[in-house]
Amino acid sequence: DIVMTQSPVSLPVTPGEPAAISCRSSRSLLHSNGKNYLDWYVQKPGQSPQLLIYLGSNRASGVPDRFSGSGSGTDFTLEISRVEAEDVGVYYCMQGLQLAVTFGGGTKVEIK
Amino acid sequence: VQLVESGGGLIQPGGSLRLSCAASGFSVSSNFMSWVRQAPGKGLEWVSVIYSGGVSYYTESVRGRFTLSRDNSKNSIYLQMNSLRVEDTAVYYCARGQKYVGGPGHFDSWGQGTLVTVSS
Repeated sequence: DIVMTQSPVSLPVTPGEPAAISCRSSRSLLHSNGKNYLDWYVQKPGQSPQLLIYLGSNRASGVPDRFSGSGSGTDFTLEISRVEAEDVGVYYCMQGLQLAVTFGGGTKVEIK
Repeated sequence: VQLVESGGGLIQPGGSLRLSCAASGFSVSSNFMSWVRQAPGKGLEWVSVIYSGGVSYYTESVRGRFTLSRDNSKNSIYLQMNSLRVEDTAVYYCARGQKYVGGPGHFDSWGQGTLVTVSS
């Protein structure tokens, strides 16, 4: 299985400030079609997970443009340009390349 | 698009449960559908998938014990869970997938989840 490693585990943030989460995979997620099969999800308190970013850098429908995804191969980053209080939750990366999809361990974003 | 899971509950080790996921707003036969679980206080773990062609796959820890099926007439999928273990305790989410070329893809819709507790 492809192992997904996220850092940090916990991320205290100040509203209005930027934030970044790192995700590393144990093998390249770059498909021969040039797309990175890496997605980002957020699970807000008491809610189900929801899709934020797919194929590395594409925002899902309704996702604010303060969220952006970047990276290629084995190293990826989710950035929030200006954190808002509603962004608290646990963020997960997931590889969609191998049949047995795997998630990172999660990064808990909380307000300072 | 809506996914509604049901069927969770408290069950003794070795017992069986059948989870259901009723879909609306799309056809379960047109997308791939998965179950993803989350043990208490833990992260997300993929459990199983059924593709539009009807082929299903399972994570190693549940293979041979869980069976994923689909009823197109009811627009629903089901997870039959047998020989349940304490470590199967989790919230089970049903999720709709959007397939990637040459890979499984991402999950663009999730249900609210149903809690399965395996305990004596």
